[in-house]
Amino acid sequence: QKEVEQNSGPLSVPEGAIASLNCTYSDRGSQSFFWYRQYSGKSPELIMSIYSNGDKEDGRFTAQLNKASQYVSLLIRDSQPSDSATYLCAVNEGAGGTSYGKLTFGQGTILTVHP
Amino acid sequence: SAVISQKPSRDICQRGTSLTIQCQVDSQVTMMFWYRQQPGQSLTLIATANQGSEATYESGFVIDKFPISRPNLTFSTLTVSNLSPEDSSIYLCSVEEGGWDTEAFFGQGTRLTVV
Repeated sequence: QKEVEQNSGPLSVPEGAIASLNCTYSDRGSQSFFWYRQYSGKSPELIMSIYSNGDKEDGRFTAQLNKASQYVSLLIRDSQPSDSATYLCAVNEGAGGTSYGKLTFGQGTILTVHP
Repeated sequence: SAVISQKPSRDICQRGTSLTIQCQVDSQVTMMFWYRQQPGQSLTLIATANQGSEATYESGFVIDKFPISRPNLTFSTLTVSNLSPEDSSIYLCSVEEGGWDTEAFFGQGTRLTVV
């Protein structure tokens, strides 16, 4: 049974702070890792994907992957109230032509950024 | 990314009836995926729909309860049959895009309430 675990929430940070979201996964063969943001009543929105060990930065977001530790994280710098949402970690074992859309999701972490 | 349209966006159904959800994509895609998000929970993959073949169901989901059609490369339907209150969930259609580094995107979801 493949499992994806996220740090328990909810997480509350002040505006302008760094929000740190963590995720561990059980399947050592996993190759693809994603962070989705889901606002209440909306569908998940892809914000970051990462496939190789190390850091990947996109604007205020940085994803970090450590396959040896089976750990992936998301850092949100200069957090804004509009970042308040549920953040979902998703993992796929796919690589090289296998299906990436077949995802295993963590339970989500609720982030609240307060002014 | 592809534009994914789901219909209906929400519905209230009587127990014992069925609901068919449509998913339309504005480009041809090989794989389409159906997820369920129960209240307060994360997403769980129901099945993978590949054009020209039977859908592949995940453990715990069966074709009799969740029949899926995939008549062409831009369209799929999911039917939730013999509805019970436990089927009250959000149902999401997803497609994958990209080459080696493929990413998955979601439709806006269908919120089903069974009374």
